[in-house]
Amino acid sequence: AQSVTQPDIHITVSEGASLELRCNYSYGATPYLFWYVQSPGQGLQLLLKYFSGDTLVQGIKGFEAEFKRSQSSFNLRKPSVHWSDAAEYFCAVGAIQGAQKLVFGQGTRLTINP
Amino acid sequence: DAGVIQSPRHEVTEMGQEVTLRCKPISGHNSLFWYRQTMMRGLELLIYFNNNVPIDDSGMPEDRFSAKMPNASFSTLKIQPSEPRDSAVYFCASSFGGRTEAFFGQGTRLTVV
Repeated sequence: AQSVTQPDIHITVSEGASLELRCNYSYGATPYLFWYVQSPGQGLQLLLKYFSGDTLVQGIKGFEAEFKRSQSSFNLRKPSVHWSDAAEYFCAVGAIQGAQKLVFGQGTRLTINP
Repeated sequence: DAGVIQSPRHEVTEMGQEVTLRCKPISGHNSLFWYRQTMMRGLELLIYFNNNVPIDDSGMPEDRFSAKMPNASFSTLKIQPSEPRDSAVYFCASSFGGRTEAFFGQGTRLTVV
């Protein structure tokens, strides 16, 4: 069975600073990896996904993530954060079992200082 | 595209009452998922359907929970009887096939008092 660990429960960065959110996964086969963002009271919105190919994937809102198989990691990055990026971020790993069955990490809450 | 539509957005009910949550997936999607989100346990997959057939319900907490998908455009999650520990946000999501992402609805915030 797959699992996901997001080591940082809460991160605070200043507006304009760079950001990296960590994600480590455990899965016996090639994983399908996702980052979702959740604003308060809202559903989850997909930021980016990795299925295969180039290990550096670009997403919406200026986010990118890099798949590193040797480290079982899929860290999310953004070069310069905006106040509107404050939200909860979830990493997820999917497995092909007739459908995408996602297992989520516990989430990282991002706070932006002005 | 209206996205995944869930109703109601908020539900407050008394312990012991039956609660039904509804979901309309994105048209053309053939996989549907029910998730529960709580502070203690995070996002948990309760059950998922593929082509209207339940594939894995191992995440359903107990027999008080049941889910149906009578057709490709509608699913329900029922709790009977409800208990205070069922209070959570319940998300429905849908996807097409096994190589696409899941699209989430806005969720139903359930409070059982």
